[in-house]
Amino acid sequence: QITLEESGPTLVKPTQTLTLTCTFSGFSLSGSGVGVGWIRQPPGKALEWLALIYWNDDKRYSPSLETRLTITKDTSKDQVVLTMTHMDPMDTATYYCTHRIFYDRDGFPSPFDYWGPGTLVTVSS
Amino acid sequence: EIVLTQSPGTLSLSPGERATLSCRASQSVSRNFFAWYQQKPGQAPRLLIYGASRRATGIPDRFSGSGSGTDFTLTISRLEPEDFALYYCHHYGNSPWTFGQGTKVEVK
Repeated sequence: QITLEESGPTLVKPTQTLTLTCTFSGFSLSGSGVGVGWIRQPPGKALEWLALIYWNDDKRYSPSLETRLTITKDTSKDQVVLTMTHMDPMDTATYYCTHRIFYDRDGFPSPFDYWGPGTLVTVSS
Repeated sequence: EIVLTQSPGTLSLSPGERATLSCRASQSVSRNFFAWYQQKPGQAPRLLIYGASRRATGIPDRFSGSGSGTDFTLTISRLEPEDFALYYCHHYGNSPWTFGQGTKVEVK
C-alpha cells in the first residue's frame, strides 16, 4: 500500500523560503524507475507540476520556477524535501506530493499514480 | 512546453447520460504518455486513464479514453452520481509535464 503525506508550514510571509516534506511508505526511492514529484493547485485553479526527483538522483524542474526550486531526497528516511524561495502571494496553493514509476507492472509508461492528500500553503504578511 | 486545452469548460448533464470530454495538445503527444484524472472537492486527483486508453487500477469500465497526436477524449458512458467532478488531462512524456485547465462535469 503506497501512501504519501505532505508536511510543512501552512502560512509563510512574502519573500520567505518554503520548505515542504513528503514522507512516504509502501515503496523505496532507491528502486529503479521510481520518482517522487510535487504538484500544486492554487485555489479554484488548475494543477501545475513543479519538480520531480528520481531514484538515481536525476532531478527535473518546471522551467518557469526552476530558479526558485530545489528538490532533494533522503532515502533512509523515505522522505523528499521541496524548497521554494522568494515566496509570493501568487504561490498560495495546495501542494501535493506524488509517486511515479517509469513503467507499470505490464511494462507500460506510468504517470503520477499515487498522491498525498495535499497541504494548503498560504502566503500572506 | 506542451499546452493542453480542454473543452468544454463545463459540461451540464444528467445521471445516466454520456459525457464526452476533449483535450487538445499544442503539439503531438505520444499516446503512451497521456492521462486523465478526476478530482472531487477537497480531494487529491485520482488517476483514471493512462497511455491514452488504459484504465488505472479499480476504475470502472464506464470510463474510457481514446485519441492520438493532438486530440484526446475521455468518455463516461453512463454518468453515475459520483462521476460529477473535475477532470484534467495530462501529458507525461518529456518534461516539463503539463495539465489541462480542467473540465467540470456538473448535474444539469
